[in-house]
Amino acid sequence: SQKIEQNSEALNIQEGKTATLTCNYTNYSPAYLQWYRQDPGRGPVFLLLIRENEKEKRKERLKVTFDTTLKQSLFHITASQPADSATYLCALDIGGGSYIPTFGRGTSLIVHP
Amino acid sequence: ETGVTQSPTHLIKTRGQQVTLRCSSQSGHNTVSWYQQALGQGPQFIFQYYREEENGRGNFPPRFSGLQFPNYSSELNVNALELDDSALYLCASSSPGTGGAGIYEQYFGPGTRLTVT
Repeated sequence: SQKIEQNSEALNIQEGKTATLTCNYTNYSPAYLQWYRQDPGRGPVFLLLIRENEKEKRKERLKVTFDTTLKQSLFHITASQPADSATYLCALDIGGGSYIPTFGRGTSLIVHP
Repeated sequence: ETGVTQSPTHLIKTRGQQVTLRCSSQSGHNTVSWYQQALGQGPQFIFQYYREEENGRGNFPPRFSGLQFPNYSSELNVNALELDDSALYLCASSSPGTGGAGIYEQYFGPGTRLTVT
């Protein structure tokens, strides 16, 4: 069956360090993968999109990698700040010509001062 | 803020009742998707509307139905509410092609928190 796996345990890191979040998927051949940020009780906010033919994408302190062989995406936040504390969701399309995103359950990031 | 609005913010209903949730999409966006998010889970896709037509549906029963209006605003209707329908309902607007052919960024509203008792 198709699965999108994100670490269910919260990631705790110290301010200033690099946070790395993982998204693994099975039985998908996505055309793209997206990362969103979600704060408690609020809707997700789009951060980055990376296509299947791209290896890496950067935006300010954010970096996303996409390895279609490993079926994995890594999401990095450099020089992390307490304000980066949130849940981060990955989403990818289910393939077969449908570009509708399917979401993982998200990983909570807590950045300690 | 994304410019996507949803109403109401919170709602409490009794099992068996019907509910209508509303969404106004961001200006210029012609596609609206609805998601259900249970506590601790990722958003689950319910359905999508593109130019007033249903353009895809997730694994939800027919008692979940929707509409999109000419101004691209949308409604989600749920009949015969069950306790498991308690969740955050999210609406996302987009304009296909903004991320490349068929690929698009979605802009979410703040959600409607539905509690079924």
